[in-house]
Amino acid sequence: QLQLQESGPGLVKPSETLSLTCTVSSGSISSSSYCWGWIRQPPGKGLEWIGNLCYSGSTYYNPSVKSRVTISVDTSKNQFSLTVNSVTAADTAVYYCARRVAVAAYWYFDLWGRGTLVTVSS
Amino acid sequence: DIQMTQSPSSLSASVGDRVTITCRASQSISGYLNWYQHKPGKAPQVLIYAASGLQTGVPSRFSGSGSGTDFTLTISSLQSEDLATYYCQQSYSSPLTFGGGTKVEIK
Repeated sequence: QLQLQESGPGLVKPSETLSLTCTVSSGSISSSSYCWGWIRQPPGKGLEWIGNLCYSGSTYYNPSVKSRVTISVDTSKNQFSLTVNSVTAADTAVYYCARRVAVAAYWYFDLWGRGTLVTVSS
Repeated sequence: DIQMTQSPSSLSASVGDRVTITCRASQSISGYLNWYQHKPGKAPQVLIYAASGLQTGVPSRFSGSGSGTDFTLTISSLQSEDLATYYCQQSYSSPLTFGGGTKVEIK
């Protein structure tokens, strides 16, 4: 069964760049049926959608982070990545990668990784 | 942004109880509403998509209803393994937004 696994440093210094990778196993990332996304959850707070990347190459970002975020894909490694620039303590969160699928016009996240905690601190 | 408000924020119920969680959108989202279950230390999983569609593999005790601004997730007979936090999420418009979550505890 297809699985998603986040990886990356657990500690990032303020003003630096946060980089995470999501590895897709037991399935191909190169499918026109899916988009691939990132969601985060700050400690004690709710879930926040960061953005999606679809097979067409189109990307969609939350305006709250759009100026600092890039989502990209490496099909040769079956991975997609998240980069957040100029991080602050407010970027401290558990970061989840997820697959987004559609039934008719209804999109939802049908597979998620377990999440990885990233702390922004000097 | 569309605000999603869940209630209650937490509840405690006994095994076998019927449990209802509500989610209200700040504007009409038609049927573009999904429900997720998140158990501690595990990956979240979708239960319901498009307001009432049961995801493959999800037990039939879970059901969803509603349209417009008001939605409900119902667990018909609570089981011990349903201990989790439940989130609603709208996919009507960008940015996608989630409710604040409902933590379900077993008495």
